[in-house]
Amino acid sequence: ILNVEQSPQSLHVQEGDSTNFTCSFPSSNFYALHWYRWETAKSPEALFVMTLNGDEKKKGRISATLNTKEGYSYLYIKGSQPEDSATYLCAFPMTTDSWGKLQFGAGTQVVVTP
Amino acid sequence: GAVVSQHPSWVICKSGTSVKIECRSLDFQATTMFWYRQFPKQSLMLMATSNEGSKATYEQGVEKDKFLINHASLTLSTLTVTSAHPEDSSFYICSASMVGPRNEQFFGPGTRLTVL
Repeated sequence: ILNVEQSPQSLHVQEGDSTNFTCSFPSSNFYALHWYRWETAKSPEALFVMTLNGDEKKKGRISATLNTKEGYSYLYIKGSQPEDSATYLCAFPMTTDSWGKLQFGAGTQVVVTP
Repeated sequence: GAVVSQHPSWVICKSGTSVKIECRSLDFQATTMFWYRQFPKQSLMLMATSNEGSKATYEQGVEKDKFLINHASLTLSTLTVTSAHPEDSSFYICSASMVGPRNEQFFGPGTRLTVL
């Protein structure tokens, strides 16, 4: 089992504020890092697949950076809105043979209050 | 596009009974489906990988006779929890992977199983 950790476990954000949180993973044998967004009672939705050191990806107000040498990725939410409330999961492929076999972190639950 | 459904969304059963959970890819063909389990405040844990037309591959510590997986078609995989016990109560979620080099996974909404 790979050590994929996310922090903090949860955070409360005021509407309009920006926030960020971390996913740490083994820095050796890096293949890719996945970010998912999981709203309550819905299916986890893929946000980003990050593959290269220094990668920065953006989707609307959400962006992510990747540092494979030190083994961490940050997810940023700019100008948080109530609809950003969700659990954000990162996942690390277990082997090179299949991107499908993912080791997930426990997630960061984000609550945005109006 | 790329929608995955699960049925049922929640189920309560008596100890000793078997429960079947269905995972369907609604608008694409999924050569591979994955089954995960999540206990409260813990991460999604991969249970098994299911390939259409072949036996599932189980992760270490997952009893294949306890958790029967069938992937009979490119759009349907089923997980049967046999002789369920209270410790099997958990959240079960599937994902389906399209054919292609990216192998992106699309998740179902999950099934909450409670065994009394």
